[in-house]
Amino acid sequence: EAGVAQSPRYKIIEKRQSVAFWCNPISGHATLYWYQQILGQGPKLLIQFQNNGVVDDSQLPKDRFSAERLKGVDSTLKIQPAKLEDSAVYLCASSPGTGGRDTQYFGPGTRLTVL
Amino acid sequence: GENVEQHPSTLSVQEGDSAVIKCTYSDSASNYFPWYKQELGKRPQLIIDIRSNVGEKKDQRIAVTLNKTAKHFSLHITETQPEDSAVYFCAASYRQGNLIFGKGTKLSVKP
Repeated sequence: EAGVAQSPRYKIIEKRQSVAFWCNPISGHATLYWYQQILGQGPKLLIQFQNNGVVDDSQLPKDRFSAERLKGVDSTLKIQPAKLEDSAVYLCASSPGTGGRDTQYFGPGTRLTVL
Repeated sequence: GENVEQHPSTLSVQEGDSAVIKCTYSDSASNYFPWYKQELGKRPQLIIDIRSNVGEKKDQRIAVTLNKTAKHFSLHITETQPEDSAVYFCAASYRQGNLIFGKGTKLSVKP
């Protein structure tokens, strides 16, 4: 079974620029998550989709972050404009069901550096 | 708000010794508690999980215990090996199945 795919793996931008990340979840997985992992900390949820609907985006800084999951499969996360404090690894994860106790499978992440 | 505390932040053991990592959570409605292992520069990978209808689960050298009354759960690794060296994260479920993660424990196993 192919895992969660993410691209790019690394991105370096200057502050105030925009950036987009892409995620392809495991085939058939209904739920998709975007996490932000700052160095030395655990992943922090940004947004959760079930199929193509948003379930929870309470921790997404909506003034600069946006995300979409078209057709309930792939997803993109965008930051515009980026700030220095956005430097982190952005992890995408997916789970097969819509319940609260499914295993979440993580992608390799995109390491973002904002200069 | 919801919170997961994880201790210790770093743990160094000799090969063959046991390692224990402890977590506490705040939301009494949490009912799913996974543990992830993350090697440097790699993705978090699930190593074991426990659901609130059981108090203990074991998988070879790894075990997890859950005390719902006290709202804490622990990871136990026996007969540690150098390849166990990594950062370990506990997590607890809340709301729509979202996870809140602890800050991680960096485990070093010395040969």
